Amino acid sequence: QSVLTQPPSVSAAPGQKVTISCSGSNSNIGNNFVSWYQQLPGTAPKLLIYEDSKRPSGIPDRFSGSKSGTSATLGITGLQTGDEADYYCGTWDTSLSAYVFGTGTKVTVL
Amino acid sequence: QVQLVESGGGLVKPGGSLRLSCAASGFTFSDYYMSWVRQAPGKGLEWVSYISSISTYTYYADSVKGRFTISRDNAKNSVFLQMNSLRAEDTAVYYCARVGASGWYEDYWGQGTLVTVSS
Repeated sequence: QSVLTQPPSVSAAPGQKVTISCSGSNSNIGNNFVSWYQQLPGTAPKLLIYEDSKRPSGIPDRFSGSKSGTSATLGITGLQTGDEADYYCGTWDTSLSAYVFGTGTKVTVL
Repeated sequence: QVQLVESGGGLVKPGGSLRLSCAASGFTFSDYYMSWVRQAPGKGLEWVSYISSISTYTYYADSVKGRFTISRDNAKNSVFLQMNSLRAEDTAVYYCARVGASGWYEDYWGQGTLVTVSS
């Protein structure tokens, strides 16, 4: 049972935008940076966003991250078929002294 | 380029033990925290453990505390996960990952190694 809640799935047509929410609490998102990971089918996860909104080199600016209070959001614009994947948020939980991942969201390109 | 290669997975009986290894290259290993993350078949990601750069600090998920031990050998650029008293619910792909230089996030991941606990 994850302490970070994400919608199970989101979908949109190619070229459109999707947003994925990640809801937590003051012990995790509210007081720690959030990161986002993309997991393409059959592959290892890949870092997309760190420290709430920063992109590692090589990650296109179609991917963006934001945070407000105890919730974080991943945005994907100009949706492509190659974006079909599972997406996870993650952050440190101060109360648990543990890193926690969100429940995961499957993105489908219609 | 950063590379992380896990090994040591396999089939083990409940109550048994297994030691996973992760060989790192392409960066100054001793400068980074390292982590293990697992993913049960068809399920989401679950963080397992962290170890600090010179092994001063270790952290564990409650689900593995007291059964799993993380360690590292900076001379051999390797991190390990000793898993004891294995249970069916430990069945998963285990990923080794490098922890980011500026905070709690995993910036590079290995390809994973499958651990199956079954009689």
